[in-house]
Amino acid sequence: NAGVTQTPKFQVLKTGQSMTLQCAQDMNHEYMSWYRQDPGMGLRLIHYSVGAGITDQGEVPNGYNVSRSTTEDFPLRLLSAAPSQTSVYFCASRAGTGGSGELFFGEGSRLTVL
Amino acid sequence: AQSVTQLGSHVSVSEGALVLLRCNYSSSVPPYLFWYVQYPNQGLQLLLKYTSAATLVKGINGFEAEFKKSETSFHLTKPSAHMSDAAEYFCAVITSGGYNKLIFGAGTRLAVHP
Repeated sequence: NAGVTQTPKFQVLKTGQSMTLQCAQDMNHEYMSWYRQDPGMGLRLIHYSVGAGITDQGEVPNGYNVSRSTTEDFPLRLLSAAPSQTSVYFCASRAGTGGSGELFFGEGSRLTVL
Repeated sequence: AQSVTQLGSHVSVSEGALVLLRCNYSSSVPPYLFWYVQYPNQGLQLLLKYTSAATLVKGINGFEAEFKKSETSFHLTKPSAHMSDAAEYFCAVITSGGYNKLIFGAGTRLAVHP
């Protein structure tokens, strides 16, 4: 069982470039989310989705877009990368939308913006 | 808005000593509380959670946490540290008003010395 799969694991971008971080889960989870992790700040929620076609903003949504066309996939798009977006990004999913369930995390995507 | 504060960004203990990682939350309604652990270069995994049942919650790897409403605390403990417990630990909160927003603390890095 693959769980939550993120690609790529590492990426270097130049300021102004765009890219998409891919996230796929094979657990038929309704809820999916993206976090960024920065030293001393823990994980901050970027965007989340409670099902196909439904997305909403988290704590730090600016500069990022998401869409959810299928249950399995939840890509994160950086429209015009900035050095402040250098971070480690985690995708996480959960069964249901009740809030008490366990979040399952991918292994992370490390992004450097020069 | 709900939030969590983890006291101490770094904690160091000797192998066999008590582990105590502190977490305080702010929430206007009864929360769901979680502890997650992150090993180097990995995603997060759930240690334990409080969802308004028993106030003393037991998790994996010998960890437990006690929900104290009067102190708005959810401290994580383990009676005897093992070298394999060295990792970063995150406290997180979700409330009934925001089932879809899991908010993390800044994290506490635990070092275990022989």
